[in-house]
Amino acid sequence: RKEVEQDPGPFNVPEGATVAFNCTYSNSASQSFFWYRQDCRKEPKLLMSVYSSGNEDGRFTAQLNRASQYISLLIRDSKLSDSATYLCVVPALIFGAGTRLAVHP
Amino acid sequence: SAVISQKPSRDICQRGTSLTIQCQVDSQVTMMFWYRQQPGQSLTLIATANQGSEATYESGFVIDKFPISRPNLTFSTLTVSNMSPEDSSIYLCSGKGTGLNTEAFFGQGTRLTVV
Repeated sequence: RKEVEQDPGPFNVPEGATVAFNCTYSNSASQSFFWYRQDCRKEPKLLMSVYSSGNEDGRFTAQLNRASQYISLLIRDSKLSDSATYLCVVPALIFGAGTRLAVHP
Repeated sequence: SAVISQKPSRDICQRGTSLTIQCQVDSQVTMMFWYRQQPGQSLTLIATANQGSEATYESGFVIDKFPISRPNLTFSTLTVSNMSPEDSSIYLCSGKGTGLNTEAFFGQGTRLTVV
């Protein structure tokens, strides 16, 4: 099993939609997780940290499910500018393959 | 978070030559890393650059091919040696603090094409 797995997408959603991505990880001892956003031809940039109790920042909510070993990212009221690749990161800075999101008018 | 300046941003190189990529951080960082990203793929960790000692390489990457230097806490270089077309990729450096919950931040990347 890979250390981290993501659905590559693409997720094509209309503006205003709610979309959720999951990322599963294999190391049950993992303690810290992150979601990064990567725009085309740009470097990844931190979107959110994922805390045990969940984490919300505006339209974005990140959650951790230790029992099932996955983290999730929920985006509400999608904007065109949310179109990007979303990468989950597990400890030791192992990146998932990324989930592509395309928000259309 | 700190800012990393990475250069060159892109280069086209002849096979058999070497290219050195530099990353300068605007503040001291405990950990620095080098990644490779193929088009449409995720980031693959090449190595952890250790200050004052040899880098720690991930499986599939060796020092002879990817020598790394880290003379201080704000600077690191990655050399891609004896290049072949298969080395064409984006190379990214990254910095991070030591805390478990500290995030990594990235340089702008180097787009390398080997012809």
